[in-house]
Amino acid sequence: GAVVSQHPSRVICKSGTSVKIECRSLDFQATTMFWYRQFPKQSLMLMATSNEGSKATYEQGVEKDKFLINHASLTLSTLTVTSAHPEDSSFYICSAVHTLAKNIQYFGAGTRLSVL
Amino acid sequence: AQSVTQPDIHITVSEGASLELRCNYSYGATPYLFWYVQSPGQGLQLLLKYFSGDTLVQGIKGFEAEFKRSQSSFNLRKPSVHWSDAAEYFCAVVNSGGYQKVTFGIGTKLQVIP
Repeated sequence: GAVVSQHPSRVICKSGTSVKIECRSLDFQATTMFWYRQFPKQSLMLMATSNEGSKATYEQGVEKDKFLINHASLTLSTLTVTSAHPEDSSFYICSAVHTLAKNIQYFGAGTRLSVL
Repeated sequence: AQSVTQPDIHITVSEGASLELRCNYSYGATPYLFWYVQSPGQGLQLLLKYFSGDTLVQGIKGFEAEFKRSQSSFNLRKPSVHWSDAAEYFCAVVNSGGYQKVTFGIGTKLQVIP
């Protein structure tokens, strides 16, 4: 149990286009999901906290207009990278918190974004 | 603010040898502690966690970790490493007051040689 699916696993796009990444909790409900960014050979950096039915909370230095987060249901959160540029190329990982096990985050497999 | 230190960025061990990955945390109270493993190009898989109780916790894949409050440590161990254990290992801490942000260590990359 506690499976988090992240799609797509890899995406290549042109500079200036927008990319949407989905994060789904497959077998549990998650009122809270998190979005992370991981640079090569570095740890995960929290970008934002996504709460179902409310606005996301962004970490300092993360542009909310560039990284749009929507958490429309208890099993789905989306991250849209708007007007992507090469510096947005990175590995993006989501996690979901089980409503019944609030101290454990379950992670998706990540999305490798490459902006040309 | 809470912080996590993994002093070893890269460790190489021989297959069959024992392993210990170090983790120290800084937090005012007793935090919730985790170890995650990440294979190349993959997400994170939870190996084990400590919330309270027995300070020696068992996880998946034969891993265990021991919480030592006096040393603010939560070191990960495995008695005999397999080649498939080669991956990146992250220690993490969560505020015990609720499901808050996870603070990750920088990670330790484990290389296993035949």
